[in-house]
Amino acid sequence: AQTVTQSQPEMSVQEAETVTLSCTYDTSESDYYLFWYKQPPSRQMILVIRQEAYKQQNATENRFSVNFQKAAKSFSLKISDSQLGDAAMYFCAYWVEYGNKLVFGAGTILRVKS
Amino acid sequence: DTEVTQTPKHLVMGMTNKKSLKCEQHMGHRAMYWYKQKAKKPPELMFVYSYEKLSINESVPSRFSPECPNSSLLNLHLHALQPEDSALYLCASSQDRAAVRNEQFFGPGTRLTVL
Repeated sequence: AQTVTQSQPEMSVQEAETVTLSCTYDTSESDYYLFWYKQPPSRQMILVIRQEAYKQQNATENRFSVNFQKAAKSFSLKISDSQLGDAAMYFCAYWVEYGNKLVFGAGTILRVKS
Repeated sequence: DTEVTQTPKHLVMGMTNKKSLKCEQHMGHRAMYWYKQKAKKPPELMFVYSYEKLSINESVPSRFSPECPNSSLLNLHLHALQPEDSALYLCASSQDRAAVRNEQFFGPGTRLTVL
């Protein structure tokens, strides 16, 4: 069974600084997709970034980038120039090509200090 | 329009009540999902509809009954719920269930309280 582990229940970052959220996963599949979702307090969940396992290049979306290490089964999210609006619960998630569902990690609460 | 809407935003119901949650999307997506989310926990998948047919039921109790009347609408009928069913119920949709098109768009959720 696929599992996703987020080992940091909470993280804090100073505004304008950089923070990295970690995620590891376990799978025997070779084709799969990884996602980071952001859920701000009392607001809806939105997709931050996605990574296809067959792509070696790390995905980037503006201030958000990932460090995808396929052999190590690691998928960390780096947020640069952190802003107050980045404060949220961040979920790492995994979807397998021929699987049936999105598997979420436990989540990391990110607090941004001004 | 990249929006999934859910109504109502909040719902309080007694254990003997019957109520329904509604979800709507107009993105032409053919996969729709119901999740249950407890506070500070990840969403737990309940049901998946693919092309208006139920394709996954994650062993959800029968007091939860999903319905997909058409490709844009998803309902969750609630009957004889228990206090432990109190949670945020999220609806999501995606183009379909193939991974390459599986970016899921989430609604804001319905906050359900069962008394």
